[in-house]
Amino acid sequence: DAGVIQSPRHEVTEMGQEVTLRCKPISGHNSLFWYRQTMMRGLELLIYFNNNVPIDDSGMPEDRFSAKMPNASFSTLKIQPSEPRDSAVYFCASSLITIWGNQPQHFGDGTRLSIL
Amino acid sequence: TQLLEQSPQFLSIQEGENLTVYCNSSSVFSSLQWYRQEPGEGPVLLVTVVTGGEVKKLKRLTFQFGDARKDSSLHITAAQTGDTGLYLCAGVPSSNTGKLIFGQGTTLQVKP
Repeated sequence: DAGVIQSPRHEVTEMGQEVTLRCKPISGHNSLFWYRQTMMRGLELLIYFNNNVPIDDSGMPEDRFSAKMPNASFSTLKIQPSEPRDSAVYFCASSLITIWGNQPQHFGDGTRLSIL
Repeated sequence: TQLLEQSPQFLSIQEGENLTVYCNSSSVFSSLQWYRQEPGEGPVLLVTVVTGGEVKKLKRLTFQFGDARKDSSLHITAAQTGDTGLYLCAGVPSSNTGKLIFGQGTTLQVKP
């Protein structure tokens, strides 16, 4: 079975440019999560969706960040304009939420973003 | 706000030694998950503990959930170089929205 697929794996761009990260969750999963990981702050939840609807975006750093999930098989995280402090590894994860809970999150391999 | 404090943050040991990683909170969780992350990859689930006092074993790894479901530990016996990685604990809040509360992680280095 295919896992969570993220693209690109690496992105290097200059500050001020728009960056778009993409994620394809595992088929059948109903929840999708975007995380950012740095040495200083660890793994931070940015936003998550249930059934394609954004539920909690309180982790989104500022208005430069936006995320969409137009359908159950695709999500994007966009940064515009990008800044050097946005450099990090961005992970997408998906999960199947049931009334019984306890379902693990399945992570992609991440996008390593470097803003020069 | 629910928080999980993980300790130690860094651990460097020799192959064959034992170690314990702790995950503590003042909040109660419905369950707790442990993940392991290798360089260049995303975290991968190792185990989920659900019941207070529960102990689960995965080969040389032993996971325990505290009686009050506020804390957990991971014990590795006779560590091997292949155990090197980042270990993350994640609490499942009782609200069951799918959101996890992650600890800061423990970076383990096992030297040959």
